[in-house]
Amino acid sequence: QVQLVQSGADVKKPGSSVRVSCKASGGTFITYAVSWVRQAPGQGLEWMGGIVPILDTPTYSQKFQGRVTISADRFTNTVYVELTGLKSEDTAVYYCARGTMTGSYSWFDPWGQGTPVTVSS
Amino acid sequence: DIQMTQSPSTLSASIGDRVTITCRASQNIGHSLAWYQHKPGKAPKVLIYTASTLQSGVPSRFSGAGSGTEFTLTLSSLQPDDFATYFCQHYDGDSTTFGGGTKVEMK
Repeated sequence: QVQLVQSGADVKKPGSSVRVSCKASGGTFITYAVSWVRQAPGQGLEWMGGIVPILDTPTYSQKFQGRVTISADRFTNTVYVELTGLKSEDTAVYYCARGTMTGSYSWFDPWGQGTPVTVSS
Repeated sequence: DIQMTQSPSTLSASIGDRVTITCRASQNIGHSLAWYQHKPGKAPKVLIYTASTLQSGVPSRFSGAGSGTEFTLTLSSLQPDDFATYFCQHYDGDSTTFGGGTKVEMK
């Protein structure tokens, strides 16, 4: 069974960048799409984008285009998300999640445990 | 872009109640819909995929129905562990969109 373990909580200043990692263990990873989803306080789930590690071609939600970079390291089974130009509205819990159909974006299972990111001066 | 609209946003219910949550798509999405349960401090958990297929290990009191633009998640008899927020998700192979969520709270 694949497990996704994310990096720890982070606090950032407005205007800076944050990078969150998601390491997979225990199963197939590189042929499935891994997505990043965030949830701001009191808000719903928001898809940011994803990547199929074996293809190494990320896909981004239009909302985050230009500010987000998703990358993968096939050798360490790790996917990263980097968000630049942080604003207070980027304060959220960031989740990684693996799709369930090879090579495409589908329903998610499993999910990482979530990484709280706080943007505050 | 396809928009997913859930209703209600909050639902008050009692143990043993039958609960139904609706998710509407702005365009025909066939059966490309999943439902999740999300509790504070935990990762979301998939309940239903392809609109009506129960995920392995999920209690049979959960069921999904619908196709095209209207979908429902039904809990046949609400249990204490079911108080949570529920999200629908449309997926199309290239991207994905979530509904706004429905919080099921105790009446």
